[in-house]
Amino acid sequence: DVKVTQSSRYLVKRTGEKVFLECVQDMDHENMFWYRQDPGLGLRLIYFSYDVKMKEKGDIPEGYSVSREKKERFSLILESASTNQTSMYLCASSFTGGGRWQYFGPGTRLTVT
Amino acid sequence: QKEVEQDPGPLSVPEGAIVSLNCTYSNSAFQYFMWYRQYSRKGPELLMYTYSSGNKEDGRFTAQVDKSSKYISLFIRDSQPSDSATYLCAMSGNAGGTSYGKLTFGQGTILTVHP
Repeated sequence: DVKVTQSSRYLVKRTGEKVFLECVQDMDHENMFWYRQDPGLGLRLIYFSYDVKMKEKGDIPEGYSVSREKKERFSLILESASTNQTSMYLCASSFTGGGRWQYFGPGTRLTVT
Repeated sequence: QKEVEQDPGPLSVPEGAIVSLNCTYSNSAFQYFMWYRQYSRKGPELLMYTYSSGNKEDGRFTAQVDKSSKYISLFIRDSQPSDSATYLCAMSGNAGGTSYGKLTFGQGTILTVHP
């Protein structure tokens, strides 16, 4: 079974803090994705990566950065957390050339106070 | 206009009912169609996958794709309380250029099946 794990299920941070969200997949997938999910807005793509050290902006990259130093690990960084970044963050991974479906992690509920 | 439109519901049905969930889309390049199920406070899990047009059945679930109408559906027969979840449609075109399997999601439909 494919497994995508995220470092924390729940996280509470203060405004202005630097926040790291970690994601690890165990199926040697080339592609990895970070989304945020908010009520009424659905899933929105923040960043994705198609190879080690490669990254592309998604639909809402402002205020975020990412890092992919190893194939299995994809990190999302909030440089200076703000209250409007309170959300559910979901990581996903997929094969290139496969059926396009993505496997999701359990999510991290981030609250910025 | 959004690329993928999905009725957000919520949808509430009695146990045993047939449920129909639908998405429309505007991008004719979409070839891969998926349905995800997301339980409360969990990540989405892949439920059904279809390539191009046609039907696919898996137990109580049937996925239909009508590319000529740009319309996809998920049917749930004999619905159960355990089917209560948010259902998300997702789709993708061919992985040419830098698409790398990016998915476009509907907003999700919240379904409650009551005993």
